[in-house]
Amino acid sequence: DVVLTQSPATLSVTPGERISLSCRASESVDTYLHWYQQKPNESPRLLIKYASQSISGIPSRFSGSGSGTDFTLSINGVELEDLSIYYCQQGNSLPRTFGAGTKLELK
Amino acid sequence: EVQLVESGGGLVQPGRSLKLSCLASGFTFSNYGMNWIRQAPGKGLEWVASISSSSSYIYYADTVKGRFTISRDNAKNTLYLQMTSLRSEDTALYYCARGRAATFDYWGQGVMVTVSS
Repeated sequence: DVVLTQSPATLSVTPGERISLSCRASESVDTYLHWYQQKPNESPRLLIKYASQSISGIPSRFSGSGSGTDFTLSINGVELEDLSIYYCQQGNSLPRTFGAGTKLELK
Repeated sequence: EVQLVESGGGLVQPGRSLKLSCLASGFTFSNYGMNWIRQAPGKGLEWVASISSSSSYIYYADTVKGRFTISRDNAKNTLYLQMTSLRSEDTALYYCARGRAATFDYWGQGVMVTVSS
């Protein structure tokens, strides 16, 4: 199974700053790497697909990059509404796997 | 508007069975693969099972293989998850999610399954 390791586990942020979240795969997943946001007590929502493709309705401050085994989700100008848990997920092979998540909290 | 509404959860004793349903609306259900994904209390996301649009392809996580059965009724726009031989570690919020290529692009609100004596 492909193991996805997300870091850091928790990130304390200040509104307005630019941040980067990491997701590392145990083997290459090409660009079959997707990002989800889960706000408290809500269902996850798709944020970025295929490593860097934007999703309709998602603010432009969210962007993704990477391929192979190393991926990054960036937020350019964090807002209070972005305080959530972010998960990466690989769709290159079965079983589909998720990272353990990175929690954004207020500094 | 895409909507996925799960139902059928509840409290069940270990070893018993439960069947979840997910009613889809706002899109052509028969054109999409569908998935079940679960989240144990305070934990991360775990993919459970997937079914292709015509039910030709079905896949399961090893943790549920042989105990859970995913199915769908395209005439009723409904996805199912039959769960048998339930264990305490199956306790989770179960989400129904639409599949688009290798992503899960829409999620339901989830239904809680608690396995306890």
